[in-house]
Amino acid sequence: DSGVTQTPKHLITATGQRVTLRCSPRSGDLSVYWYQQSLDQGLQFLIQYYNGEERAKGNILERFSAQQFPDLHSELNLSSLELGDSALYFCASSATGHEQFFGPGTRLTVL
Amino acid sequence: AQRVTQPEKLLSVFKGAPVELKCNYSYSGSPELFWYVQYSRQRLQLLLRHISRESIKGFTADLNKGETSFHLKKPFAQEEDSAMYYCALGNSGGSNYKLTFGKGTLLTVNP
Repeated sequence: DSGVTQTPKHLITATGQRVTLRCSPRSGDLSVYWYQQSLDQGLQFLIQYYNGEERAKGNILERFSAQQFPDLHSELNLSSLELGDSALYFCASSATGHEQFFGPGTRLTVL
Repeated sequence: AQRVTQPEKLLSVFKGAPVELKCNYSYSGSPELFWYVQYSRQRLQLLLRHISRESIKGFTADLNKGETSFHLKKPFAQEEDSAMYYCALGNSGGSNYKLTFGKGTLLTVNP
């Protein structure tokens, strides 16, 4: 067990809605990364936080945002949801960045 | 810009046969390469990193800077090797370190 936890496991919602995905990193890891995994795009890096600050941005839509809190847990907010946002969302944490430990993912289904 | 190419979406071999999963990268700096594996219904986990030059579960991978490749090899495939394999490229960004993943290769080892 890598120690990274994500909630919820599954989320089913409707188009136009807003959801929040939560990630708790491994104890002591300061970096949190968010990824989106879909069948056609594979694993896409969304955003990275390091000790509460945004450090790197990938292919993250403007409708999506994230933050990392003082206790180092992170939340990914997805708004104005579209059918195409249905995917598996992974969080990973790292102490050094060079080895990332992944959570079990949140499967989002937008109907 | 960082880019990782895994040319094969699907790869099917028989048990006991050699297997090679291809990975090519594009990066102007000093690359750090990884292989991650995702077994069915499980989270991604690190399989290999090029700097450690170790063999995990019989898999090896050599970084070839001339060919910008980091192919994953195993001489005798086992059924339990069936999984999704992702090649990943790390930049040299310090605390802005990020991984770029290929689209993955689904390996099926048939009995």
